[in-house]
Amino acid sequence: DAKTTQPPSMDCAEGRAANLPCNHSTISGNEYVYWYRQIHSQGPQYIIHGLKNNETNEMASLIITEDRKSSTLILPHATLRDTAVYYCIVIETSGSRLTFGEGTQLTVNP
Amino acid sequence: DTEVTQTPKHLVMGMTNKKSLKCEQHMGHRAMYWYKQKAKKPPELMFVYSYEKLSINESVPSRFSPECPNSSLLNLHLHALQPEDSALYLCASSQDRGASEAFFGQGTRLTVV
Repeated sequence: DAKTTQPPSMDCAEGRAANLPCNHSTISGNEYVYWYRQIHSQGPQYIIHGLKNNETNEMASLIITEDRKSSTLILPHATLRDTAVYYCIVIETSGSRLTFGEGTQLTVNP
Repeated sequence: DTEVTQTPKHLVMGMTNKKSLKCEQHMGHRAMYWYKQKAKKPPELMFVYSYEKLSINESVPSRFSPECPNSSLLNLHLHALQPEDSALYLCASSQDRGASEAFFGQGTRLTVV
């Protein structure tokens, strides 16, 4: 599975959009981009995933560049409850090793 | 029901004790996972079960022994642990081994004294 690079930490003001970047320059054609988050002392939570098209659900939007070498997770109106570690994971559809990198600690400030 | 339930939530055990962590899901998922998470670190995969059979063991020491009695239950048996094994142990499940949308439990906070 391709390696990902994320900034270790980011801050965002409450009510503003949080844009979390992820670099995955070695991604291959059959690998998806997944995002999970982990709120302090809880288990990780699935957010969204995509292959090459942009995706949106009730939690977030995922923007994948045309060359698929990077992506951005967008939380459109961040709240204090969105403070968490966000993990970007690249994995094959048949892959069974959901492997977490260091992630980005997002802090939403009032 | 989209929950993965782990018991107990907290466990303190001595280095000579034997204890078990339990995980249960009723989503009909056929893949189940154990992860270990140390403070301020990402979760590390330990074991993967697929259709009740162990499919991946990430070179975990034998003092950790997983068991999958049926498709809804996953246990982790602990014996002769060391203080450095103290961590948050997370269970997860997914529809099958190839599905990466996994549901995680809240974890068991284990302290070895």
